[in-house]
Amino acid sequence: DAGVIQSPRHEVTEMGQEVTLRCKPISGHNSLFWYRQTMMRGLELLIYFNNNVPIDDSGMPEDRFSAKMPNASFSTLKIQPSEPRDSAVYFCASSPGHAGVAYNEQFFGPGTRLTVL
Amino acid sequence: GENVEQHPSTLSVQEGDSAVIKCTYSDSASNYFPWYKQELGKGPQLIIDIRSNVGEKKDQRIAVTLNKTAKHFSLHITETQPEDSAVYFCAALNPYNFNKFYFGSGTKLNVKP
Repeated sequence: DAGVIQSPRHEVTEMGQEVTLRCKPISGHNSLFWYRQTMMRGLELLIYFNNNVPIDDSGMPEDRFSAKMPNASFSTLKIQPSEPRDSAVYFCASSPGHAGVAYNEQFFGPGTRLTVL
Repeated sequence: GENVEQHPSTLSVQEGDSAVIKCTYSDSASNYFPWYKQELGKGPQLIIDIRSNVGEKKDQRIAVTLNKTAKHFSLHITETQPEDSAVYFCAALNPYNFNKFYFGSGTKLNVKP
């Protein structure tokens, strides 16, 4: 299994530009998570999908951030317009877990390092 | 909601010594506690986990202990090696909140050869 796949691995853009991050979860996993990691705030959960449906987006910082999961094998996180404070590493993770089931390991992708100039 | 606190933020040990990282949580309904290791430039990887019906779990040089009454759990690494150097995160999960993990702030472990 290839694991969780994220693209691009690195993204450098200018303030005001639109940024789209992509994620392919592990086949068969029904939960997908987007995290942001910074030195100041650590690992923050941005949004969580279960069976392609957004369950909890309370971590999405602003309306500039949006996420979609059109099918079980693909998700995007979009920032429009981007700002320098959005610079961070963004991780996608997937899990085979179901609601109410204890086994809930999350498998993380390699991350996308975003730099907004 | 859940609040997970992790200590220390940095830990430096000599190769061969033991390392202990501690976490506390606030939600008594949490019942799954994983530990993740993050190496430079990579995503976090699960190294060990424990469920609330177990007090201790071992996997070679790594062990995790859980005290549900006190709401704290710890990661123990024995006979540390330079390749153990990484950032370690604890997390807690409430099964009634789907699969949402609450992560600690991380511990940077440095094992000196």
